[in-house]
Amino acid sequence: ETGVTQTPRHLVMGMTNKKSLKCEQHLGHNAMYWYKQSAKKPLELMFVYSLEERVENNSVPSRFSPECPNSSHLFLHLHTLQPEDSALYLCASSRGDRGSGANVLTFGAGSRLTVL
Amino acid sequence: GQNIDQPTEMTATEGAIVQINCTYQTSGFNGLFWYQQHAGEAPTFLSYNVLDGLEEKGRFSSFLSRSKGYSYLLLKELQMKDSASYLCAIMDSNYQLIWGAGTKLIIKP
Repeated sequence: ETGVTQTPRHLVMGMTNKKSLKCEQHLGHNAMYWYKQSAKKPLELMFVYSLEERVENNSVPSRFSPECPNSSHLFLHLHTLQPEDSALYLCASSRGDRGSGANVLTFGAGSRLTVL
Repeated sequence: GQNIDQPTEMTATEGAIVQINCTYQTSGFNGLFWYQQHAGEAPTFLSYNVLDGLEEKGRFSSFLSRSKGYSYLLLKELQMKDSASYLCAIMDSNYQLIWGAGTKLIIKP
C-alpha cells in the first residue's frame, strides 16, 4: 500500500465517548501533520510531528491528543468532544524539509467526524 | 494579519478555460501552492511557484506576481473530472503554510 492512509473514514461519536483516528504513511517521510477541515473555511493546522517529536501545537483544546509512535504512524485521540468539533480531519506527511519552501504535503483522504 | 482570498465558487463549461484567482497578504513569502481536492478525497498537489511568472503543466498553469500578492490557476480544455475544490496556500517567512478557504469549481456539460 502506498501514500497516506487514514482510518476510520467516517466516525460518529457522542460527547462522552473516547475514540482515536489513525494515520499511516508509506512514503518514507519524516514529518506528519493533523489538519481540521470545516466547510468553507481554510485548513486549520492542529499538530506537526517531525522525526516523531511534536514541533507544533496550534492552541488546540486538550480534548484532542496526538500520538506519534514512529515516523510512519500518527494518531489523534479524541475525548469529550463538542458538536463544533464535527469536521473532516486530514492527516498529511512531507519529507520534513520545513526550511525549504517546496515542502509538498501528501494528504490522506480524511476521517469525517460527527459529534452528537 | 495574514489573509488569503479566493472566490468561494465558480462555474465553467466543459472544454472551456477558467482562471481561479488567489490574492494574499502574508508576513513574508517562501512560495505559493495550489492543491486540488475532489469531494470526499485527499487534497493533491498541483503546483508550486516561488518566482514571478507562469509555470505550465499540461492543461494546468499557475501564475505568480509577488509584488501584487497575486496568483492564478488556469485550467484549459476543461473536463468534467476537473470539478473539484482548488486550494491556494502561501508559505510565510516562518515556513508556515497559510491556507485559503478554497474555490469550488463546477463544470457543466
